[in-house]
Parts: sequence; C-alpha cells; structure tokens
Amino acid sequence: DTAVSQTPKYLVTQMGNDKSIKCEQNLGHDTMYWYKQDSKKFLKIMFSYNNKELIINETVPNRFSPKSPDKAHLNLHINSLELGDSAVYFCASSKLDRGHTGELFFGEGSRLTVL
Amino acid sequence: AQSVTQPDIHITVSEGASLELRCNYSYGATPYLFWYVQSPGQGLQLLLKYFSGDTLVQGIKGFEAEFKRSQSSFNLRKPSVHWSDAAEYFCAVAPQTGGFKTIFGAGTRLFVKA
Repeated sequence: DTAVSQTPKYLVTQMGNDKSIKCEQNLGHDTMYWYKQDSKKFLKIMFSYNNKELIINETVPNRFSPKSPDKAHLNLHINSLELGDSAVYFCASSKLDRGHTGELFFGEGSRLTVL
Repeated sequence: AQSVTQPDIHITVSEGASLELRCNYSYGATPYLFWYVQSPGQGLQLLLKYFSGDTLVQGIKGFEAEFKRSQSSFNLRKPSVHWSDAAEYFCAVAPQTGGFKTIFGAGTRLFVKA
C-alpha cells in the first residue's frame, strides 16, 4: 500500500503546453511538499501546504500553481512549459504537529521532459 | 545563511570496505539532522535522523551517523559496504521549531566496486 503516490511517473510534452502532476498520501500527515530535482540531483523545495494552507512558496515562476483540495492531496499544475522545467518533481509529506520532527516521506517522483 | 555541504560529489569504495560520507551544515541553532538515500529511479528514503540526546545514531541497513556540534558535522558511516548500497546519499537539516522547510545537501553518489 503506497504511502505517497504520484502520477504520472513520466511525462513528455512540448514547450508551451500545460501539464499537471498529482500526489496523494495515505499516511495521515498534515503537511505536503513539492520538490524539484534537477539533472545534477540537487533538490529544491518549491511549495509546502500545511492543513491545506500554503506556507512555503519559494521563488518559483507563477507558471507553477499548486493546489491542495484536502490534506491528503497536493497537485501541481504547470502552464506554458519551458525547456528548463525538465526535471524530476517529488511530492513529499510529513507530520508537523507537536512531538513530531518533520521527517519527509517521498513519492517515487514524476520525470518531466519538455521538448 | 542556512546551508548543507556535502564536499564529496562521488565516492567509490570496494565491497566490504568501510564508508564515511561527510556532511557539514550552517544553521542558526542546532537543527534536526537527517540522512536520506535515493536509489536510481526512486524517491528518497530516510536512513536515520538526529534530534537530541546520544550523538551517535543508528539507522536502517547498518548505517550510523555521528553528530559533532563543535564541527557542525553529521557524517554517515557504515563498517562494511554492500553492492546494494550504491545510491545517492543526501544530508538534510530542518529547524527544530516550525520545521516546514528541510534543506538538502547536493548529494554524494556512492559507487561500489566488486
């Protein structure tokens, strides 16, 4: 039973298109994240939602729009895709209420290739 | 500024040899410290974590790490490496309060030779 699942796992698309990646967690966590991993494996946080409220919004182009319909889901929509958006996007979740320490549980990643 | 430095981009060890991966951090206060492992094509998995107390922490797959406050380091070790340990290893830090933002090092790629 997958804890953090992302779909699709692979996404190949043309420049200028719009695409979405979906994420769901069944761990009962209250916080979810999107991380971007570039070709050099560097991981950078993009967004974080705590109890459906946006709490982290790093310097990400506004072509990227996250949406959290409930605590178990966090989706990422990308408009007008550019070559530089090619990367692996990881969804993660954690529990941050009192007594917990924020260790992250990751999905398997969604590899986006923009042609 | 908060940062995590993993000075070794890649390391090659022989199977059965010992391993140490280095990690240094720069942070305002002692953060929570983590090591994650990423196998090819997979997401990251937590190996071990340090929150407080004993500075030598044990993790999964026979890994351990030692927190040294004076050196701002949290190095990962394994006494005998197996071929299946070949992967990317990430050191990470998160604040002890309001811990929403985990910062990752650039990673160290471990190669294991027979």
